[in-house]
Amino acid sequence: QKEVEQNSGPLSVPEGAIASLNCTYSDRGSQSFFWYRQYSGKSPELIMFIYSNGDKEDGRFTAQLNKASQYVSLLIRDSQPSDSATYLCAAALGYSTLTFGKGTMLLVSP
Amino acid sequence: DTAVSQTPKYLVTQMGNDKSIKCEQNLGHDTMYWYKQDSKKFLKIMFSYNNKELIINETVPNRFSPKSPDKAHLNLHINSLELGDSAVYFCASSPTDLDGYIFGSGTRLTVV
Repeated sequence: QKEVEQNSGPLSVPEGAIASLNCTYSDRGSQSFFWYRQYSGKSPELIMFIYSNGDKEDGRFTAQLNKASQYVSLLIRDSQPSDSATYLCAAALGYSTLTFGKGTMLLVSP
Repeated sequence: DTAVSQTPKYLVTQMGNDKSIKCEQNLGHDTMYWYKQDSKKFLKIMFSYNNKELIINETVPNRFSPKSPDKAHLNLHINSLELGDSAVYFCASSPTDLDGYIFGSGTRLTVV
């Protein structure tokens, strides 16, 4: 059974701090990994994807992948109150569907 | 122009009724999906269609029947609705490489 695990949170950080969101996955064959942000009452929106070991940066967001440890993380630098949302980690085996974690709620206080 | 559109946005119905949710995408994607998000926000795959063909059918009661008349449309019909069916149902579509996975705005189904 493919599983993606996330701490449900909430993770509370002050404005301007770095928020670190973590995710582990069970299927060692998973090849691609995604971070989605979901505001309350809205649909998930893709913010980052990563396929290779190491770091991938996009603006204030950095995704990190360690396939040996089956671990994915998302760092949000200079966190803003508008970043407050649930962050969903997802993994895919080849071109199959995405398997999602249960999400981590992030709260950024002004 | 909405990329993945679902209707209706809200659906309140009584137990035992039959209802349908419609989904359309104008992105030219080959694959479409139905996900169910429960009250704890867990997004779980229900069905996946590639070019009108059923690819994935997770452990879903056979009261749920997807139909794809063409690759731009994937509808979900639910028979004999139960209280436990209350959730938000998301349609999504993707190209071959999954980094284009786009969700619709969701349908909040409430069974009373």
